[in-house]
Amino acid sequence: DTAVSQTPKYLVTQMGNDKSIKCEQNLGHDTMYWYKQDSKKFLKIMFSYNNKELIINETVPNRFSPKSPDKAHLNLHINSLELGDSAVYFCASSQLWQSYNEQFFGPGTRLTVL
Amino acid sequence: AQSVAQPEDQVNVAEGNPLTVKCTYSVSGNPYLFWYVQYPNRGLQFLLKYITGDNLVKGSYGFEAEFNKSQTSFHLKKPSALVSDSALYFCAVGEIYNQGGKLIFGQGTELSVKP
Repeated sequence: DTAVSQTPKYLVTQMGNDKSIKCEQNLGHDTMYWYKQDSKKFLKIMFSYNNKELIINETVPNRFSPKSPDKAHLNLHINSLELGDSAVYFCASSQLWQSYNEQFFGPGTRLTVL
Repeated sequence: AQSVAQPEDQVNVAEGNPLTVKCTYSVSGNPYLFWYVQYPNRGLQFLLKYITGDNLVKGSYGFEAEFNKSQTSFHLKKPSALVSDSALYFCAVGEIYNQGGKLIFGQGTELSVKP
């Protein structure tokens, strides 16, 4: 019954590796997001997709590449991982893209780069 | 650019007492304001939002927030705190950006409710 799910929950990897995080929502929402929460708990948007189309790319390095195969899925691939990429990554969704819509968040993926 | 500020990193309250978590905003135009709660090792949960209308907004788990345009504030309140309310609380403002909407979050306020 999980509304927004992410896999994996934890990801520990070496610098320079490539990794992916998957997100799925079963709410029938049109819009999905990726957020990054740093070690000080500060949250910042990375990407937003509406109906599989990228609508927000918040000056994220090219090493991060989101992909939305359909409305219900938004994956995040990270190339050449760096120490500074260590964070908790949250996927979220909202019914529509407009900023007055509340967003529903997944449980997060804690990425640790060694 | 739109922003929100949460002036307190931590708020400590005794169980049964009223609680307030403060938020001020800076926006051009009419604000869309939100409160979210994050329990340890969990994702964020939506509590309530203000778009327009009544300045007092009621939300989940007995929380409410008051929109005050003259003070540009949107403080979160609860009449009687529970130990289970202990969590990290985020205020956020919705912003339109390049045909997309995004949330801009405050720094977060850690609420600790002691028995």
